[in-house]
Amino acid sequence: GAGVSQSPSNKVTEKGKDVELRCDPISGHTALYWYRQSLGQGLEFLIYFQGNSAPDKSGLPSDRFSAERTGGSVSTLTIQRTQQEDSAVYLCASSFTGRGYTFGSGTRLTVV
Amino acid sequence: RKEVEQDPGPFNVPEGATVAFNCTYSNSASQSFFWYRQDCRKEPKLLMSVYSSGNEDGRFTAQLNRASQYISLLIRDSKLSDSATYLCVVPVNSGYALNFGKGTSLLVTP
Repeated sequence: GAGVSQSPSNKVTEKGKDVELRCDPISGHTALYWYRQSLGQGLEFLIYFQGNSAPDKSGLPSDRFSAERTGGSVSTLTIQRTQQEDSAVYLCASSFTGRGYTFGSGTRLTVV
Repeated sequence: RKEVEQDPGPFNVPEGATVAFNCTYSNSASQSFFWYRQDCRKEPKLLMSVYSSGNEDGRFTAQLNRASQYISLLIRDSKLSDSATYLCVVPVNSGYALNFGKGTSLLVTP
């Protein structure tokens, strides 16, 4: 597609429920990244996929967080047993050769 | 030193003014750097890439000082539309993941 597409744009969920966030990167971009941004805070790196290499999961805050990227394209970030501190905007970005990212418009997750 | 450090501001400047932001980073091996712009409740957007000592794009000039490990962004002839948060971005170690600073807030007033 022309840009990075994320869905849903907004998600409200009850504490303890699982959520899935989707990212469709720019066609041809080999690298895909997930970040999150809490209110008034900077971007926090979560995970990155590069081609067929094993993903860099070093930023995932707990084992409740996982992500996969199928067929080198679409990625899904899953948060199990959501907590209130998981509330944030989850941003996906993709890039080619790692030179600067293009971000999607994000998924605003609210855990109530 | 924090991995990426920026003055949060806010910087309040009148239209037409020149304003500069600095950013310091801790990873001396970093080779490429970026400035992103983020509008309120929007995603960050790439403003400039900095690969050598610096580069210029219209009213925007980015400079890199490797010895002192800082990057600067200069905006000349500020416009109202320049009001945003400016994020300094540095690679994580030698990989492609990026560390984002918390940003410097700029407000350009009439």
